[in-house]
Amino acid sequence: KNQVEQSPQSLIILEGKNCTLQCNYTVSPFSNLRWYKQDTGRGPVSLTIMTFSENTKSNGRYTATLDADTKQSSLHITASQLSDSASYICVVSAGDKVIFGPGTSLSVIP
Amino acid sequence: DSGVTQTPKHLITATGQRVTLRCSPRSGDLSVYWYQQSLDQGLQFLIQYYNGEERAKGNILERFSAQQFPDLHSELNLSSLELGDSALYFCASSGRLVTWSTGELFFGEGSRLTVL
Repeated sequence: KNQVEQSPQSLIILEGKNCTLQCNYTVSPFSNLRWYKQDTGRGPVSLTIMTFSENTKSNGRYTATLDADTKQSSLHITASQLSDSASYICVVSAGDKVIFGPGTSLSVIP
Repeated sequence: DSGVTQTPKHLITATGQRVTLRCSPRSGDLSVYWYQQSLDQGLQFLIQYYNGEERAKGNILERFSAQQFPDLHSELNLSSLELGDSALYFCASSGRLVTWSTGELFFGEGSRLTVL
């Protein structure tokens, strides 16, 4: 069964600190993996896309990694800002299917 | 701004009623997707259209229906509304068909439906 799991479910960190969000998937055939950021009450916005051959991709303070062998991805946020408070959703494409993870809710506090 | 427009932004109605949510995709995008997001829940895929034809169906209730018109805008019809239908309904568009493997979903700002 195609599934995407994310951990932790929620996370609270102090402004300026780093954090890492995890995504595990059991999806076949794997096409790509995206991380989306969803601000409360807003539509998700793509942060980065990882294809099978890519291990690391950065977008500003966001760095995504992918281990296709273990079917794991992580999203590392550096020097967090209050505006990083949002839900981060891991989305995996499997052929013509798109499977959304449940998201990790991140709260950055002063 | 993603380029995807959804109306209305907010809608309050009563149980048993019927509503229509509208979505205009990004210019040039042929695929439209509808998602439901209940409070504190993840995005649940409802249905996808490509160039006017239904391409994929998710967990869409029989009380719900959708269509994509020749001008590529899409409507999601929700009928016999129940309290549990209260949610954010998102529309997304992409420029590619089901082989969206390197494509990106662009989401609208959502329509918040409250059923009282």
